[in-house]
Amino acid sequence: TQLLEQSPQFLSIQEGENLTVYCNSSSVFSSLQWYRQEPGEGPVLLVTVVTGGEVKKLKRLTFQFGDARKDSSLHITAAQTGDTGLYLCAGAGIRNGGYQKVTFGTGTKLQVIP
Amino acid sequence: NAGVMQNPRHLVRRRGQEARLRCSPMKGHSHVYWYRQLPEEGLKFMVYLQKENIIDESGMPKERFSAEFPKEGPSILRIQQVVRGDSAAYFCASSPLAGSTTDTQYFGPGTRLTVL
Repeated sequence: TQLLEQSPQFLSIQEGENLTVYCNSSSVFSSLQWYRQEPGEGPVLLVTVVTGGEVKKLKRLTFQFGDARKDSSLHITAAQTGDTGLYLCAGAGIRNGGYQKVTFGTGTKLQVIP
Repeated sequence: NAGVMQNPRHLVRRRGQEARLRCSPMKGHSHVYWYRQLPEEGLKFMVYLQKENIIDESGMPKERFSAEFPKEGPSILRIQQVVRGDSAAYFCASSPLAGSTTDTQYFGPGTRLTVL
């Protein structure tokens, strides 16, 4: 069973601060995805990283995939209240059936205070 | 282009009743995935279906739970004789492809099941 641990589990910061969320596993993934989920809604995909060491930027969000493709981080610069939500990482692996089974992390609940 | 649709959004059942959750994938998508989420937790994979076939049901309890994705119509997740522990949010996702490293799963808004 592939497990993904996220840290911290909860994070409450002031608007304008920076933060980093970590996603760690002992398993290797073919790709890793980050989602944000708001209360009462389904997860929305933010980014997919595929190559070990890859860095992707999405405005104030920076995503990095570890060299060994076992871990990832999400860094948010100058957080805004609109960044509040549950952040989920998800590792994708290819099973024998040839499909992309996705294992979700434990989640990080972010609250940005104005 | 409509996204993944799920209904009902909220479902209340008494213990012992049946719950039927529906999912209509995005247009052109033939792969459907069901997940369960408890409050403040991540999503747990339940089952993966293609049209008329169950590909992987390793995350679904062997008893009381079943899923289908018929040739015509939505995918159905069925829970028989519900118990309080079944209370959760159930999400459906769809994708156009399978086996591609960068394939994206698009999620619906979920069905929140409450068992009294």
